[in-house]
Amino acid sequence: AQSVAQPEDQVNVAEGNPLTVKCTYSVSGNPYLFWYVQYPNRGLQFLLKYITGDNLVKGSYGFEAEFNKSQTSFHLKKPSALVSDSALYFCAVRDDGGYNKLIFGAGTRLAVHP
Amino acid sequence: GAVVSQHPSRVICKSGTSVKIECRSLDFQATTMFWYRQFPKQSLMLMATSNEGSKATYEQGVEKDKFLINHASLTLSTLTVTSAHPEDSSFYICSASRDFNSYEQYFGPGTRLTVT
Repeated sequence: AQSVAQPEDQVNVAEGNPLTVKCTYSVSGNPYLFWYVQYPNRGLQFLLKYITGDNLVKGSYGFEAEFNKSQTSFHLKKPSALVSDSALYFCAVRDDGGYNKLIFGAGTRLAVHP
Repeated sequence: GAVVSQHPSRVICKSGTSVKIECRSLDFQATTMFWYRQFPKQSLMLMATSNEGSKATYEQGVEKDKFLINHASLTLSTLTVTSAHPEDSSFYICSASRDFNSYEQYFGPGTRLTVT
């Protein structure tokens, strides 16, 4: 069965520093991986996805993620964090059962300090 | 493009009453819509998947008679929480998918339900 793990409940970063939010996955076939961001009391906003192709995927708001098949990881990165990046980040993998069902990780809260 | 709306954004109801939440895809036709429930500081829990014109598929442990889902058109799905109780208080989020090969889900802004 597919699963996604986000090992960190919270990540603290100083503004201007690079940030990484970790995600590892377990799938039976080819992984379809996603990152979403959630601001307080809001729905999820799509950041980026990996379906196939280049291992480095660029997304919205300056975020990127690196797909690493050997380590089964899909870490979210940004070269220079902004205070406004503070939010809840979810990694997700597409469920092979169909209908584009997504399996979400537990979420990682990113706190960027001035 | 790919905007999903939810109505209402917040609702407070009394225990024992029913509440309907609407999810609309504003600028695309959604072949599939999903309903999630999110508890404070937790991840999203998929409740059900609905395809236009057919019965919803509920996840294990979700009571289909309590959480009625209707997907009457390609742009509208509704979730009705019947005989609501305080433990049903939660943040309900819907999402929509254009088609099977699009791989993406577009999320609504969520509905905060409080049952008193």
